[in-house]
Amino acid sequence: AQTVTQSQPEMSVQEAETVTLSCTYDTSESDYYLFWYKQPPSRQMILVIRQEAYKQQNATENRFSVNFQKAAKSFSLKISDSQLGDAAMYFCAYRGTTSGTYKYIFGTGTRLKVLA
Amino acid sequence: IAGITQAPTSQILAAGRRMTLRCTQDMRHNAMYWYRQDLGLGLRLIHYSNTAGTTGKGEVPDGYSVSRANTDDFPLTLASAVPSQTSVYFCASSELAGDQETQYFGPGTRLLVL
Repeated sequence: AQTVTQSQPEMSVQEAETVTLSCTYDTSESDYYLFWYKQPPSRQMILVIRQEAYKQQNATENRFSVNFQKAAKSFSLKISDSQLGDAAMYFCAYRGTTSGTYKYIFGTGTRLKVLA
Repeated sequence: IAGITQAPTSQILAAGRRMTLRCTQDMRHNAMYWYRQDLGLGLRLIHYSNTAGTTGKGEVPDGYSVSRANTDDFPLTLASAVPSQTSVYFCASSELAGDQETQYFGPGTRLLVL
């Protein structure tokens, strides 16, 4: 069975600095999707970034980028120029492409605090 | 465009009572999901549905049931609520769409079982 691990329950970053959130996963599949979701205090889950395993190029969305290491099964999120609005819970998620289901597996989350 | 709506927003429920959490999407997505979110445990999948008329069990299905009579609606029922079902419940939907593969979430339902 696939698993997703976020080993950092909480992280802090100074405003305007860069922070990296870690995520590792375990799977026997060769093709899959990986995601980072943000959950601010409003509770709404917001997609931050998506990576397809067959694409070697790391995904980037403005100040958010990932370091996807397929062999190491690692998928870290880098937030550059951190802003107060980045403070939230961040969840890493995996979705496989076999077995005909669209099931997602989530990590336990990392709470990011941004210090002014 | 509403996306995904959930009702109620929050609820206090006596143990042993039956409760149905409602979820409706207007994006015509094939797949729908129910998760529960608990502190320190992240989001855990309760049940899912790949398409109307089919459902499947997730990681924590016990005590919950679902139905998928049509594409838009995916209600979650607690037949006899217990305090351990106190949680925040999220409904989500997705469509297999290559570069646009994304799971969309509702605003959540906060449930307290006493």
